[in-house]
Amino acid sequence: DSGVTQTPKHLITATGQRVTLRCSPRSGDLSVYWYQQSLDQGLQFLIHYYNGEERAKGNILERFSAQQFPDLHSELNLSSLELGDSALYFCASSVATSYNEQFFGPGTRLTVL
Amino acid sequence: QKEVEQDPGPLSVPEGAIVSLNCTYSNSAFQYFMWYRQYSRKGPELLMYTYSSGNKEDGRFTAQVDKSSKYISLFIRDSQPSDSATYLCAMGTGRRALTFGSGTRLQVQP
Repeated sequence: DSGVTQTPKHLITATGQRVTLRCSPRSGDLSVYWYQQSLDQGLQFLIHYYNGEERAKGNILERFSAQQFPDLHSELNLSSLELGDSALYFCASSVATSYNEQFFGPGTRLTVL
Repeated sequence: QKEVEQDPGPLSVPEGAIVSLNCTYSNSAFQYFMWYRQYSRKGPELLMYTYSSGNKEDGRFTAQVDKSSKYISLFIRDSQPSDSATYLCAMGTGRRALTFGSGTRLQVQP
């Protein structure tokens, strides 16, 4: 157990809908990273937050957004969902902003029908 | 060309074998090297972390980094069926997001 929690474990929804994925980092970690993992794309970095502030963006679509709250948990919002958004979404946390030694949560499996 | 190349496998070995997993990279700015293990439908688990050339050992696992050749390896001694998973290498500069390899699927046959 990495200490990173994610909810829900599974999410099934329809195209055009909006969903929110939640992540709680390890105790003491200030950085949260979101990744998308699909079969044909591997693990893709989406966005990084440090202590409530956005620090870096990767291959994140405009339909996706995230935030980190004062208690350091983070939410990833996915809207206008498309079939191609079906994937595993992971969050990871680390102590600082050096992007290293990231600890991953169990993931949320999103299925868009 | 991808910054990090990793043979996708699958790699199938008998129990007790020594396994060698490898990644090559093209970005000389990478300073930090990690190996993650990912069981099916689970989150990646950090196995090894190193930031220098040479070897780092942890139990049955040895991580090797050769910065001059831009090549990293993970060796698993006395492999067990429980080692069957996908192994991801990851690299970082410390200034931007980690870059992951595509993963090598390992199957250890009992």
